[in-house]
Amino acid sequence: KAGVTQTPRYLIKTRGQQVTLSCSPISGHRSVSWYQQTPGQGLQFLFEYFSETQRNKGNFPGRFSGRQFSNSRSEMNVSTLELGDSALYLCASSLAGTGENTEAFFGQGTRLTVV
Amino acid sequence: AQTVTQSQPEMSVQEAETVTLSCTYDTSESDYYLFWYKQPPSRQMILVIRQEAYKQQNATENRFSVNFQKAAKSFSLKISDSQLGDAAMYFCASLIIQGAQKLVFGQGTRLTINP
Repeated sequence: KAGVTQTPRYLIKTRGQQVTLSCSPISGHRSVSWYQQTPGQGLQFLFEYFSETQRNKGNFPGRFSGRQFSNSRSEMNVSTLELGDSALYLCASSLAGTGENTEAFFGQGTRLTVV
Repeated sequence: AQTVTQSQPEMSVQEAETVTLSCTYDTSESDYYLFWYKQPPSRQMILVIRQEAYKQQNATENRFSVNFQKAAKSFSLKISDSQLGDAAMYFCASLIIQGAQKLVFGQGTRLTINP
């Protein structure tokens, strides 16, 4: 069974640009969540999608957005990039049916560097 | 709000010895899960062990076990017979059962194994 796949693995962008990261969950998983990891702030929750609906959102500015497609693949977008957006972005998928939470499986992350 | 605190930024242990990593948490929810994740240099988060809050029995997975003290809101990880491959960042995390798949992570403990 294939794991969670994140693309691209590495990305370098210039301040002010926008970027789109992709996450393909494990087959059958309907929940996809995104996390930002930085040395200073640690691991912070960005948002979670389930069946194409955003169920929860972390405390990030509106420049961070996401979506989920009918095949459960998810994308996150960051517009008007700032130097502080440089981070490892992790995606996790889980079965997460209604009223229950299950184990989250993580991808290898996308390392975004903003210069 | 949920919070997770890991008070040991770094720990080291001799190969084959036992080490305990500490974690405390705070939540107003009654139903939740607690996890320990391992993040090796490859950056992929790997689930080490999971504990359901309603279970009194401490979880064990081979050389890994937890000491779950619900009243004290403490959740420590014990690694027995430490191996070189155990060297990694270890993150404690909490997840409430109802609602979106949102993990709250501690700041992490970097574990070094000395040969």
